[in-house]
Amino acid sequence: DGGITQSPKYLFRKEGQNVTLSCEQNLNHDAMYWYRQDPGQGLRLIYYSQIVNDFQKGDIAEGYSVSREKKESFPLTVTSAQKNPTAFYLCASSNVQHNKNIQYFGAGTRLSVL
Amino acid sequence: GESVGLHLPTLSVQEGDNSIINCAYSNSASDYFIWYKQESGKGPQFIIDIRSNMDKRQGQRVTVLLNKTVKHLSLQIAATQPGDSAVYFCAENNGPGGTSYGKLTFGQGTILTVHP
Repeated sequence: DGGITQSPKYLFRKEGQNVTLSCEQNLNHDAMYWYRQDPGQGLRLIYYSQIVNDFQKGDIAEGYSVSREKKESFPLTVTSAQKNPTAFYLCASSNVQHNKNIQYFGAGTRLSVL
Repeated sequence: GESVGLHLPTLSVQEGDNSIINCAYSNSASDYFIWYKQESGKGPQFIIDIRSNMDKRQGQRVTVLLNKTVKHLSLQIAATQPGDSAVYFCAENNGPGGTSYGKLTFGQGTILTVHP
């Protein structure tokens, strides 16, 4: 897991509730990413941020929101608009240098709906 | 749209055998490729990478081969061990100048099971 910490490890959401997943890195990486992983599937990009105070939508941003107020932190909020939030959420960070984009991942947060 | 895919979703091998995991990609502008290993309940872990100007790169017990002609990537694991059992993903990074620069596109993954 390196220097990327995700919390909590497990999270339960009630219908209509917003929940926030935490992601912190001490690798001094500029870029941070949030992915969603469903059982037996690959990773799908939700949001990414290449620099503080800036972020872009990924492929499945609807129902999610993010902020990047600090370099080391990139929290993800799963809003009530996300109707199917049950999944494994992975945060990653990287420094894109010399055309290399090695992303390092946290241990993930498993979100379930009550 | 552009995608990264895998030929085989599962692979079972005996301990000590060599394993080969395959991946097809469709974006000819991709300039960099990575293989990740994901154990159950954990985040993906970097294994090895290769630039598009290379066709082979070796690491410790692993080799990645890139065939740009047919847009094919493979990961070879020598003397596979039970600890190698995991899901393996390939990922491609789109080249500079495109709107996807800095993003990785992941394949579906291959489940590798190593039997003692």
